Amino acid sequence: NAGVTQTPKFQVLKTGQSMTLQCAQDMNHNSMYWYRQDPGMGLRLIYYSASEGTTDKGEVPNGYNVSRLNKREFSLRLESAAPSQTSVYFCASVLDRGSSYNEQFFGPGTRLTVL
Amino acid sequence: KNEVEQSPQNLTAQEGEFITINCSYSVGISALHWLQQHPGGGIVSLFMLSSGKKKHGRLIATINIQEKHSSLHITASHPRDSAVYICAVRSQMNTDKLIFGTGTRLQVFP
Repeated sequence: NAGVTQTPKFQVLKTGQSMTLQCAQDMNHNSMYWYRQDPGMGLRLIYYSASEGTTDKGEVPNGYNVSRLNKREFSLRLESAAPSQTSVYFCASVLDRGSSYNEQFFGPGTRLTVL
Repeated sequence: KNEVEQSPQNLTAQEGEFITINCSYSVGISALHWLQQHPGGGIVSLFMLSSGKKKHGRLIATINIQEKHSSLHITASHPRDSAVYICAVRSQMNTDKLIFGTGTRLQVFP
């Protein structure tokens, strides 16, 4: 049981380049999330997917797109990277967002630098 | 003002000391989470609370719903407890999302 996996772990991009961050979970969770973490700020929600086939904007969606490819996978795409997107990105999943027992499981993070 | 505030922002302690980290929130919640982020960056869930108190090993988490306040206590602290501790709440208005505090950085010295 790998939990939540993310690739890549590190990435350096030039301004204007595109890339996709991959996330997968093997816990049969329904809801998946993408967060960014910046120094001095709490984790901020970029996009989430409450169930397979649905996606919704979070707090900071501008400059990003997402795809919930199937129940296991939720990818985050930067179409034209900007230095302001330099951050650590975390993917997370939860079995049932409406349940009292809704512990979130986090991936190991992707450290992205945009030059 | 952030909806979730933690104090202190930074905390240093000697091994063996009793540690308290506080979290106050301003929204109605269905649950509160305490998370731990180690220097390597990974985030793990420590507790999820909706009332009362929970204990796991040397860690104790309490919540007072009326006062909108939670505390995380570490008894007999150890250098391996050095990490960032993050409080997050699940709002009653939108149970899809967690609202995170900015974290408390704890360093425990031998």
